[in-house]
Formats: sequence, structure tokens, C-alpha cells
Amino acid sequence: AQSVTQLGSHVSVSEGALVLLRCNYSSSVPPYLFWYVQYPNQGLQLLLKYTSAATLVKGINGFEAEFKKSETSFHLTKPSAHMSDAAEYFCAVSSSGYSTLTFGKGTMLLVSP
Amino acid sequence: NAGVMQNPRHLVRRRGQEARLRCSPMKGHSHVYWYRQLPEEGLKFMVYLQKENIIDESGMPKERFSAEFPKEGPSILRIQQVVRGDSAAYFCASSPELAGNQGEQYFGPGTRLTVT
Repeated sequence: AQSVTQLGSHVSVSEGALVLLRCNYSSSVPPYLFWYVQYPNQGLQLLLKYTSAATLVKGINGFEAEFKKSETSFHLTKPSAHMSDAAEYFCAVSSSGYSTLTFGKGTMLLVSP
Repeated sequence: NAGVMQNPRHLVRRRGQEARLRCSPMKGHSHVYWYRQLPEEGLKFMVYLQKENIIDESGMPKERFSAEFPKEGPSILRIQQVVRGDSAAYFCASSPELAGNQGEQYFGPGTRLTVT
């Protein structure tokens, strides 16, 4: 069984500040991990994925995430927030070789001027 | 290369009616997944299909819900006798063959179902 926990349903930052969105997972097998972003009334767009290669993964729009097996974490970061980053972010996990995704409940990122 | 397409984008049904949601996967993708997103919730897996086969329907409600992915045409998620609790956003995703896939799925824009 797999599960994902995203700490904080809402995170507020100022423009230019560091963004940190937390994700912890549970998986009985080596996981594949993903971060997706959802803008209002749109589908999900893949930001980045971890698939057992490098533990620090770089994605689109300046986001990156680090896989830490000892902490079962895959936190998403961005050094400097832009107003356009305001959206909902979902962490997801899947088992290698079987693609069904298990999602966290999401974190809404709010960016203020 | 067109992405995953879903239609309609918005669907309003009265209680007791049927809802049909359509999903055309990305070109070359033969795996389709349906997810449901309720307000304040993440996406919940419903069903995983390949052409003419249901691979995993462990997330589907036992009654009123069905899905198909025929040899020709889009995948269909069908909800019979809708109730207010079915109001949600339904997302379809697709992926290529498992051998070349590391779990990555490509999502459509969703169908927002409102039951009145």
C-alpha cells in the first residue's frame, strides 16, 4: 500500500521568497515520486519526477525536489517565488512497474506582492 | 501533438440522469486512467484501462459507475442515476506502454460534473 502526506493545505509566501512544499510518502517498494501543479479549472501539469536516478531532481519553472529515503520525503522547493507560481501542488507516488498514482491532498500556494 | 482531450468540460445533470464523460488519450498512448477530485481533496484513482480491457477498477464505486476503452474511439466513464455526491471534477490521464513508462501520466483538463 502507498500513501502520501502533504503537510499544510495552504502555504503563503511573499514574491521573491523561498518556496518549500512538504511531501512525505509511504511505499512498500522503491517508489516513483512526482510533483504536479494545477492552475484553477485546469488539469494537472507535471513539474518533476523522481525515478531512482539522481536524488536531486530539477523540474520546470525553476522548481526542484530532493528525494531523501531516510526521511521518506520528497519536498518541493523554489528559491524565489513568482506571482505566477500561485496554484495548487500535488505530490504523488507510484510503484515501479505499475503506474496508478496515489496523490496527496494538495497544497495551495499563495504568493503575495 | 495534441494532449489528452476530455469532453465535455462542464456537464450538468439532474439527480437520476446519466452522465457520460469522454477521454481521448495522447497519440500513441494505450493506457488510460480515470481519477475523481472532490472539493478540498486530492485526486482519487478510479479505474485503469487498456484497449478493450479493464486492468484495475479497485477505485470504482461498486454501483452506478462503469468505464470502457474500446478498440476504436475514446474511453468513456459512465455514471448512471447520478446523485449530488457525484458532483466533482473527473480527470483522465494517459501513458505509453509500461516498458517505456516510469509512472508518468499526462492529464486532460477534466470534466466538471454538477448534479442538481
